[in-house]
Amino acid sequence: SQQGEEDPQALSIQEGENATMNCSYKTSINNLQWYRQNSGRGLVHLILIRSNEREKHSGRLRVTLDTSKKSSSLLITASRAADTASYFCATDGSDSNYQLIWGAGTKLIIKP
Amino acid sequence: DGGITQSPKYLFRKEGQNVTLSCEQNLNHDAMYWYRQDPGQGLRLIYYSQIVNDFQKGDIAEGYSVSREKKESFPLTVTSAQKNPTAFYLCASGPVGTYEQYFGPGTRLTVT
Repeated sequence: SQQGEEDPQALSIQEGENATMNCSYKTSINNLQWYRQNSGRGLVHLILIRSNEREKHSGRLRVTLDTSKKSSSLLITASRAADTASYFCATDGSDSNYQLIWGAGTKLIIKP
Repeated sequence: DGGITQSPKYLFRKEGQNVTLSCEQNLNHDAMYWYRQDPGQGLRLIYYSQIVNDFQKGDIAEGYSVSREKKESFPLTVTSAQKNPTAFYLCASGPVGTYEQYFGPGTRLTVT
């Protein structure tokens, strides 16, 4: 069953601009993760944020988590052509038996 | 060179034939997972295994079967009972008791 929903479904921006993607979920979570998938490839883990954290940074990535709104955002600053990919959020829950529940993803296109 | 491999990258089969997708990992992970991904959708869990000789059904197990005879290997068989088998199949592994998952490159199965 899908828990996370990403918004927007697709995003096209110019190289150098910032890209923001959002993820909403339905039930309480322990962690929320963001993954990247290049076309036709496997997923690569980007960042994990725990339910007691509000913000986390990794290089050009910034993730925020608002548990009261059950939402998270992923910000990619100073975008590059190589950032073109689909981005997925994955959530878990205290009763999920360590399974992840995935959103449908945001397709990001960076125009040179 | 540690990692998770899936073979083949592309697979074509006639309707009514069973087909087995390979997944091997040398990351010493106890947990392994199979997901199905359809265009524009998130990942859906088919089966998972947390220990050798044991596995559990995910959300969409009907028409699929798995085995876990070795820690390193978790093959997925798509049977003729699967109504719509054409999809991109992703295998993942991770340490048991965590939400970490590491993905293989995927196998694109086309059934005609």
